Order: sequence, then structure tokens, then C-alpha cells
Amino acid sequence: QLQLQESGPGLVKPSETLSLTCTVSGGSINTKDYYWGWIRQPPGKGPEWIGNVYYGGRTYYNPSLESRVTISADTSRNQFSLKLSSVTAADTAVYFCARRSYSPSYYFDHWGLGTLVTVSS
Amino acid sequence: DVQMTQSPSSLSASIGDRVTITCRASQRVSTALNWYQHKPGKAPKLLIHSASTLQSGVPSRFSGSGSETDFTLTISSLQLEDFATYYCQQSYNAPQTFGQGTKVEVK
Repeated sequence: QLQLQESGPGLVKPSETLSLTCTVSGGSINTKDYYWGWIRQPPGKGPEWIGNVYYGGRTYYNPSLESRVTISADTSRNQFSLKLSSVTAADTAVYFCARRSYSPSYYFDHWGLGTLVTVSS
Repeated sequence: DVQMTQSPSSLSASIGDRVTITCRASQRVSTALNWYQHKPGKAPKLLIHSASTLQSGVPSRFSGSGSETDFTLTISSLQLEDFATYYCQQSYNAPQTFGQGTKVEVK
């Protein structure tokens, strides 16, 4: 059974870079069948899509975050990662990683539990 | 970006009730509309994709309908395990966007 697990610091200082890793088990990320994505949910708000990484390293980002976001994949470790630079308090959120499928529309069919990241000095 | 507006933002219901949640898109999204269930401390769960396709393993009391801008998630007979927050998501226009959520609580 496919499982995804987020890991990384729960507290980041303003202006620094948030770094999270998603470890995938029960399936390989090195496949053309799926994209692998990050979604976040600020307290009291709906989820926000951050971006996806695809086979071969191709990436797609939300334009609202694109200048600060980098998503990459490490197929040897079956992990993909998120880096968000120059964070502010507005970046405080629960961050989820997920697998994106397609048939016939795109949807996230497997998610991690999420990890809370707080931006504070 | 496409704005997704869910209503109501919360509702109170009893076991066995029929529950309907609506989601309206600010632009036409065809049938590229998905529904998720989220409980505190759990991973979000895909219920419905492509507006009306029940995800494998999801009970048949859940159903989805609609197209273009107006969509509905229906729970035909609410069960104890259905108390949660529900989100719609459009994946027709980039960036994909989510609704603000509908919390289903015990009456």
C-alpha cells in the first residue's frame, strides 16, 4: 500500500528557507504514471497547491509561489523535496505531500498526514 | 485563478441524515472537480474525482454530480465516521484550486 510521509523542521525563522522531504513507500516515484506534489493549508483556510514534480525532474509551480519554490526528486531514495525561501508568517501552514493521478481529470489520490511548519523568530 | 466557493461552511446533522454540500467555481471547469474528506490528524482522503466518479473503496453513500460551475457532494445516509471537513478542488485550470471547506458536525 502506497504511503507518503513528510519530514522536516517544525519551526523556521522569518527570511529563512523552509525545507521538507516526502518519503514514499509501497511504490516508486520513478514512474511516468504519476506526478508528486506539495499542498499546504494555513490555519483556518482551505488548501493551496504549491507545485508538482514529474518523472525526469520536470516541475510545475503555483505562480503565486513560483519565485520562492523549488521542488526536486531523489529517485535513489524514493523521496521528493520542497524548498520555500524567504518565508514569512504567512507561510505558516500544514504542509502535505501527495501523489497526483489522472483519469480523466487530475486528482490527488494518496496523501501524507501533513506536517505543521510555523514561521516565527 | 479559479475561485471555489463551498456552501455551507459548516452544518450540523444527525446519523442517517441526507447531507448535501455544494461547490461553485468562478469559471467553467468542465467535470474536473474532485472531493476530499479530511479528519484531524489523518491524511486527506479522495472521495470523488471527475465530478462523479467514486474512488475505489469509498462507500456508495457518497455521490457527486454537476458540471462547469456548479457541483454537489451528497451523503445519502450520514454515518458516524463521516463527521469531517470536506473540500472541493478544480483541476481544469492552472493553478488547481480548492474550496475553503465544509465542516460536518454532530447535531
